[in-house]
Amino acid sequence: EAGVVQSPRYKIIEKKQPVAFWCNPISGHNTLYWYRQNLGQGPELLIRYENEEAVDDSQLPKDRFSAERLKGVDSTLKIQPAELGDSAVYLCASSPLRTGAITGELFFGEGSRLTVL
Amino acid sequence: AQKITQTQPGMFVQEKEAVTLDCTYDTSDPSYGLFWYKQPSSGEMIFLIYQGSYDQQNATEGRYSLNFQKARKSANLVISASQLGDSAMYFCAMREGLRLEGTYKYIFGTGTRLKVLA
Repeated sequence: EAGVVQSPRYKIIEKKQPVAFWCNPISGHNTLYWYRQNLGQGPELLIRYENEEAVDDSQLPKDRFSAERLKGVDSTLKIQPAELGDSAVYLCASSPLRTGAITGELFFGEGSRLTVL
Repeated sequence: AQKITQTQPGMFVQEKEAVTLDCTYDTSDPSYGLFWYKQPSSGEMIFLIYQGSYDQQNATEGRYSLNFQKARKSANLVISASQLGDSAMYFCAMREGLRLEGTYKYIFGTGTRLKVLA
């Protein structure tokens, strides 16, 4: 079974440029999360989806960040324009809904490392 | 509000010895789940172990065990017989709620960097 796939793995841009990250969750996983992880810190939630609906975007800086999950499968996170402080790793995670599983852990992709110059 | 605290920024352990990574949490929800993840330098978050708030016994998964002390709100990870490959960042995380329907917010601690010495 394929895991959570993210692209690009690395991106270097100049400030004020736009950037987009893509995530394809594990097949059948209805819930999808975007986290931002600053260097030496734990992941912080940006947005979470249940199918195509964003159920929690309270921590998404909406002046420059946007996200979508069309058709409730893959998702795109966009930053426009990027600022120096946006340099971080952007992690995508998914989790199945109603699996009957005991744990309900998140499954993470390898992340997209953004450097803003 | 939910909160996860990891007070050890870095730890060293000798190969083959055991190590305990500390985690305390705060929540007002009686139903919650606690997780530990490992993040090697490659960046991927790897799920290690889970403890539900109503579980009577401490969780174990191979060399990993979770020392769950509910009254103290602590969920320490114990790694036995450390290996060089255990060198990584370790994150404690919590999810409020135990129902398996709907989505939940998972929050993470700041992590502990473990270095296993040969």
